[in-house]
Amino acid sequence: QKEVEQNSGPLSVPEGAIASLNCTYSDRVSQSFFWYRQYSGKSPELIMSIYSNGDKEDGRFTAQLNKASQYVSLLIRDSQPSDSATYLCAVSRGTGGFKTIFGAGTRLFVKA
Amino acid sequence: SAVISQKPSRDICQRGTSLTIQCQVDSQVTMMFWYRQQPGQSLTLIATANQGSEATYESGFVIDKFPISRPNLTFSTLTVSNMSPEDSSIYLCSVESTSGAEQYFGPGTRLTVT
Repeated sequence: QKEVEQNSGPLSVPEGAIASLNCTYSDRVSQSFFWYRQYSGKSPELIMSIYSNGDKEDGRFTAQLNKASQYVSLLIRDSQPSDSATYLCAVSRGTGGFKTIFGAGTRLFVKA
Repeated sequence: SAVISQKPSRDICQRGTSLTIQCQVDSQVTMMFWYRQQPGQSLTLIATANQGSEATYESGFVIDKFPISRPNLTFSTLTVSNMSPEDSSIYLCSVESTSGAEQYFGPGTRLTVT
């Protein structure tokens, strides 16, 4: 079992729709959870972090965390073609030397 | 978030040679990381570099092949030694946020070994 699992996609959604990206992780003591966006040929860019169970909203993005189910998701509302990218889920036990584990990423295509 | 620069942005090198990649941060940071990302793949951590101590390497990566320097809190280098075509990849440095476990990435160095 991979430490952080994501559906590789591609996930294709029409412009204006909600894109739902999912991630599961195996380390039960994980405390910090992140979503990164990576455009082709670019480096990863942090778009969301979440530390507590529940939802966290930032603009069109909502991160959802369920530690009991070891599940993290990212919802992108009103998807735009500019959201087309690979989204990496990342998990860490915390700060100060704990390794962050990255998933393989989900490719998202938003069709105009 | 920190502003991170890397040099060179890309290079084409011959088999058997070495390349040193520089990573510069605009603020002092404790934790710096070096990753490799091969085409279509996710990030693989090579090592963690803390200022004032030896770098900590992940399984499958050794100091002789990937020596790292961390002379101060804003700078680090990664050397890829005795290169082979299998070392062709994007190399990324990142820093850990001072307020949490978030990481911020440099623009990357695209290395091609012929």
